[in-house]
This record gives sequence, structure tokens and C-alpha cells, in this order.
Amino acid sequence: DVKVTQSSRYLVKRTGEKVFLECVQDMDHENMFWYRQDPGLGLRLIYFSYDVKMKEKGDIPEGYSVSREKKERFSLILESASTNQTSMYLCATRQGAFEQYFGPGTRLTVT
Amino acid sequence: SQQGEEDPQALSIQEGENATMNCSYKTSINNLQWYRQNSGRGLVHLILIRSNEREKHSGRLRVTLDTSKKSSSLLITASRAADTASYFCATGSQGGSEKLVFGKGTKLTVNP
Repeated sequence: DVKVTQSSRYLVKRTGEKVFLECVQDMDHENMFWYRQDPGLGLRLIYFSYDVKMKEKGDIPEGYSVSREKKERFSLILESASTNQTSMYLCATRQGAFEQYFGPGTRLTVT
Repeated sequence: SQQGEEDPQALSIQEGENATMNCSYKTSINNLQWYRQNSGRGLVHLILIRSNEREKHSGRLRVTLDTSKKSSSLLITASRAADTASYFCATGSQGGSEKLVFGKGTKLTVNP
């Protein structure tokens, strides 16, 4: 079974803090994704990566950056957290053009 | 940009009944996938149907795809309380894009 883990289930940060969300997968998948999920808006793609050190912007990259130094790990960085970044963050992986495997999510609250 | 749009937004049924959810999309697709999300958790892949397929089954799930109408439906037969969850469709576009685009989901409640 594919396992996708996220560093925290719940996280509370203050406005202006730098926040790191980490995602680790154990299946050697090429593609990794970061989404945020908000009520009424569904899942929106922030960034994705199709290889080590490669990244592409999704639909809402503003205020975020990513890092993929190793194939199994994809980090989402909030450079200066703001209250409008309070959300559920979901990491996913995929091999080829098939189904995505999601982590359990991190519910981030920025106060 | 949102591609898939699920309908209805919410559905409440009794255990044993069938549940049907619909998804419409706008552009040409390579495949369409359905995912399930239990409250506060990650999404779990249910089924994938390719653009050249019209119907697919997996256990109590039946998915249809009508590319001429740009729509898909997910049927869950003999529903159980444990099927209570949100269901999302996601489309993979033609042209080699690596992105899936998710709809906003249908929240299904199955009452015991």
C-alpha cells in the first residue's frame, strides 16, 4: 500500500511566522502535489512537482513556495503566514497519469 | 480553475437506498476519477474511467461517462451508513498535463 504521511495533523501558527509543511511518500512516485481545501471552494492546487528539484505553480501559488530535494519528500513553505492561509492542506502523490494518493491532511490555523 | 462540478451539493438518503451523484466538466479529458473523503481526512481514490470507456464497475460502485455531454455519474448501490462522506470528481486533461482538477464535492449522508 502507498503511504503518504504529513508532518502534522493540526498546526497553530501566528501571523508572520514561517511555516513548513512536510509530506513524505514511500512509493517512489514521480509526481507530488500540494492542495488546500476550503469549505465551498473544494480542492485547489498550490504547487506540484514531477521530479526532484522540479516544481510548477498550480492555481493559487501566491504566498507559498515548495522544495523537493529528495524524491520522497515535498515541502510546502508559507514564507510569512497570514490569516487567510488558515485551511486544510493536503499532499498527494501519483505515478504516471493514474490515481492520486493523499495524505491525511494538515489543518493549519493562523492567528 | 474548477473543471468538474458535482451535483447535488448535498444528498441525504436512508440505508439500503441507492445514491447517485453527477459531475459535469468543461474541456476535453483523458480520464475522470472519483474520490471519497471522510470528514477531516485525506481523499481516497475510488475509481478511474478513461475517456474511451462508457461504464465501469467496482463492487457497489458504478460510474458512467458521457463525453458528448461532458458528464459522469457515480452510483452507490445499497448504501450503508459507512458510505457517509464527501465525494469528488477529478478530471485529467488531454494534452499531457500532470494536473488533476477537482470539483467541489457532493456531501452524502446515509441515515441508519
